[in-house]
Amino acid sequence: DAMVIQNPRYQVTQFGKPVTLSCSQTLNHNVMYWYQQKSSQAPKLLFHYYDKDFNNEADTPDNFQSRRPNTSFCFLDIRSPGLGDAAMYLCATSRGTGGPDEKLFFGSGTQLSVL
Amino acid sequence: QKEVEQDPGPLSVPEGAIVSLNCTYSNSAFQYFMWYRQYSRKGPELLMYTYSSGNKEDGRFTAQVDKSSKYISLFIRDSQPSDSATYLCAQSQGGSEKLVFGKGTKLTVNP
Repeated sequence: DAMVIQNPRYQVTQFGKPVTLSCSQTLNHNVMYWYQQKSSQAPKLLFHYYDKDFNNEADTPDNFQSRRPNTSFCFLDIRSPGLGDAAMYLCATSRGTGGPDEKLFFGSGTQLSVL
Repeated sequence: QKEVEQDPGPLSVPEGAIVSLNCTYSNSAFQYFMWYRQYSRKGPELLMYTYSSGNKEDGRFTAQVDKSSKYISLFIRDSQPSDSATYLCAQSQGGSEKLVFGKGTKLTVNP
């Protein structure tokens, strides 16, 4: 089945230790997104790629970086995780038609814990 | 962007009940609204979307938009334990990258 796959499902890191989360998709979608979702909060868009064009949200901390080496893969790098970065990180894709009704396809998320 | 407000619940109902989930929005310039369902430890999945005012029905689910009161609703008829999830409303404010989510309402349907 075509899908969005995130690895790992659970990630534990230490305060200040860099961590990378990964996402892959078999949908061949143009757009890939990274969202942060804290407990009982709305998903918050961190950045998205339209093909190779990187788009950073204005309030995304510099501590967060992203890479998209090809259509299928996208990575989220957290350079120096703080306790406040513990959250569910959701990867999503969409076709990139640009319409307001465009559907997002989400992965199952990576739950990040920072010790 | 302006916010989408949603009561986080939790909401607990018996099986077979009619469930009403609600959100309010403040930015009336954009008229596409979506409901995503998120099971525990899973990513959200699109359940329904509506445009402008009126109702949209899909099986046991009905999405409703009231532009005059800036109110969006999701009704679930004959609720089932498998409907237990968090329901996120969202407003599309000009494209998929401008999707504004509510905080979600956690629903439990008890057998």
